[in-house]
Amino acid sequence: DSGVTQTPKHLITATGQRVTLRCSPRSGDLSVYWYQQSLDQGLQFLIQYYNGEERAKGNILERFSAQQFPDLHSELNLSSLELGDSALYFCASSVDLNTIYFGEGSWLTVV
Amino acid sequence: TQLLEQSPQFLSIQEGENLTVYCNSSSVFSSLQWYRQEPGEGPVLLVTVVTGGEVKKLKRLTFQFGDARKDSSLHITAAQPGDTGLYLCAGALRDGTYKYIFGTGTRLKVLA
Repeated sequence: DSGVTQTPKHLITATGQRVTLRCSPRSGDLSVYWYQQSLDQGLQFLIQYYNGEERAKGNILERFSAQQFPDLHSELNLSSLELGDSALYFCASSVDLNTIYFGEGSWLTVV
Repeated sequence: TQLLEQSPQFLSIQEGENLTVYCNSSSVFSSLQWYRQEPGEGPVLLVTVVTGGEVKKLKRLTFQFGDARKDSSLHITAAQPGDTGLYLCAGALRDGTYKYIFGTGTRLKVLA
């Protein structure tokens, strides 16, 4: 158990819909990261927050947005969903910006 | 542009063989991490290497950080079926962006 909690674990939704993925970082970790992993592909960095502020942005689509709240949990919002958005979405957290710990992921299936 | 290239991409070997996985970049990293990922699960941190030239051992796994901190290798001695998985190197860029990126991955299968 890494200490990073993600919900929901599985989600099936229709194209055009909007979903929210939630992440609770490890206790004491100020940084939260979001990654997307499609089938048989590597981890694509989406976005990073540090203590509530956006710190780094990767290949995140405009249809996607994220935020980190004062209690340090984070949410990733995915809207106008397309079939190609089906993937495993990981949240990770870290305290020192170098070593990060991953949650178990949220499986999103868009049908 | 993939900033962290791993090789080989796929590796299938017999139990008891040795193997080396490489992680290369043209960028300098303050540290590199190696992770192992099982299907449907999050990556699990194996090791962090920080100092150029550093070598760390974790049972049958030996990790090395290049002198210039641009590359790293993972050597597994006497591989076992339990070593099967996706191995990923990762690191935080030192270009001021704070992006933490992953390598392309090496999918290892160890046959009994």
